[in-house]
Amino acid sequence: DAGVTQSPTHLIKTRGQQVTLRCSPKSGHDTVSWYQQALGQGPQFIFQYYEEEERQRGNFPDRFSGHQFPNYSSELNVNALLLGDSALYLCASSYDGLAGTSTDTQYFGPGTRLTVL
Amino acid sequence: DAKTTQPNSMESNEEEPVHLPCNHSTISGTDYIHWYRQLPSQGPEYVIHGLTSNVNNRMASLAIAEDRKSSTLILHRATLRDAAVYYCILMNRDDKIIFGKGTRLHILP
Repeated sequence: DAGVTQSPTHLIKTRGQQVTLRCSPKSGHDTVSWYQQALGQGPQFIFQYYEEEERQRGNFPDRFSGHQFPNYSSELNVNALLLGDSALYLCASSYDGLAGTSTDTQYFGPGTRLTVL
Repeated sequence: DAKTTQPNSMESNEEEPVHLPCNHSTISGTDYIHWYRQLPSQGPEYVIHGLTSNVNNRMASLAIAEDRKSSTLILHRATLRDAAVYYCILMNRDDKIIFGKGTRLHILP
């Protein structure tokens, strides 16, 4: 079992550009959550996808959007990048066969380090 | 804001037990208590979770106060590989997941 995988590992962009990050969940998982982690801080919840729909969203602007595909993989898109978007972006997957926010164990990927210059 | 309060940092000697406290005075009846840890340059890793009763697994034990307003993660015999940031999180089906800053655990050889 490959666990949660994320790509790319590192990314450098300039202000105003757009970026797409990708996540493949652990086998058997159907729910994907995205987090932003600034240096020295805990992860901040961006949103969660289940059944290809956004189910929960944190306090992030509309510049942050996502998508979940039928195979449960997911993308995080960030438009009009700001310097403050520089962070580690973490994807976590879990299994939730029932409606509602999952309380089951979340498995995290290694993250994508985004640097905005 | 995080719904849990943890000390910023703690130190322990190698091969000794470690007790990591967490306060969650506003916990609701449907909140599960989860612990994750994050080793340097890695994503967070699940450690243990519980609802009301104490829990044990191969990594650690979780002691939950009778009123559920606090809990303690117990590492029975700390090793250098246990040096990490430990997060205590409340999770339920209605609220989004909120991480605090966690406790940075230093292990002294």
